[in-house]
Amino acid sequence: RKEVEQDPGPFNVPEGATVAFNCTYSNSASQSFFWYRQDCRKEPKLLMSVYSSGNEDGRFTAQLNRASQYISLLIRDSKLSDSATYLCVPLGRGSTLGRLYFGRGTQLTVWP
Amino acid sequence: DVKVTQSSRYLVKRTGEKVFLECVQDMDHENMFWYRQDPGLGLRLIYFSYDVKMKEKGDIPEGYSVSREKKERFSLILESASTNQTSMYLCASSFEGGYGYTFGSGTRLTVV
Repeated sequence: RKEVEQDPGPFNVPEGATVAFNCTYSNSASQSFFWYRQDCRKEPKLLMSVYSSGNEDGRFTAQLNRASQYISLLIRDSKLSDSATYLCVPLGRGSTLGRLYFGRGTQLTVWP
Repeated sequence: DVKVTQSSRYLVKRTGEKVFLECVQDMDHENMFWYRQDPGLGLRLIYFSYDVKMKEKGDIPEGYSVSREKKERFSLILESASTNQTSMYLCASSFEGGYGYTFGSGTRLTVV
């Protein structure tokens, strides 16, 4: 079973829309999670960290459901600049402490 | 800001050549990582290092080796480059435990 699974999309939404991505993870011991965004042909950059049940930063809300082992990212009032690939990333535990496990990402395109 | 610098943005090498990809970080991070990223496959971990002179195999170490002689520098070596190693290579570093994970801007390697 893969460490993390995401719906690859693509999600195509108009400006101003609300869009949500889900991500499931397999390691129940994972305590920390991150959402990264990656623009085309660029490196991934940290968008949000999730340590407890959730986190909110402006238009972005991340929620964690430990019982079901999934994390979600909600983007409200989508902007053209939100077009990117979003990567859900649990932090490794135990022997893999410090290692991040990257999903394949969910592609978002926001159109005018 | 943490800076992770990769020595080359674009590189073209011939089959059979020995290739060195260099990565330097300036924030005294303990952990360093090498990934490759290919369309549809996401980020795949090649090797990582938790300390100077220490290395651990990632998911796809075959055909690669690494060197970490100094804390700030982590080198990826392709002993005999092959065309299937044409890819985007991304270096990352983080504090012990995985926090502060930051990527370099990547090296796009083409093996002809």
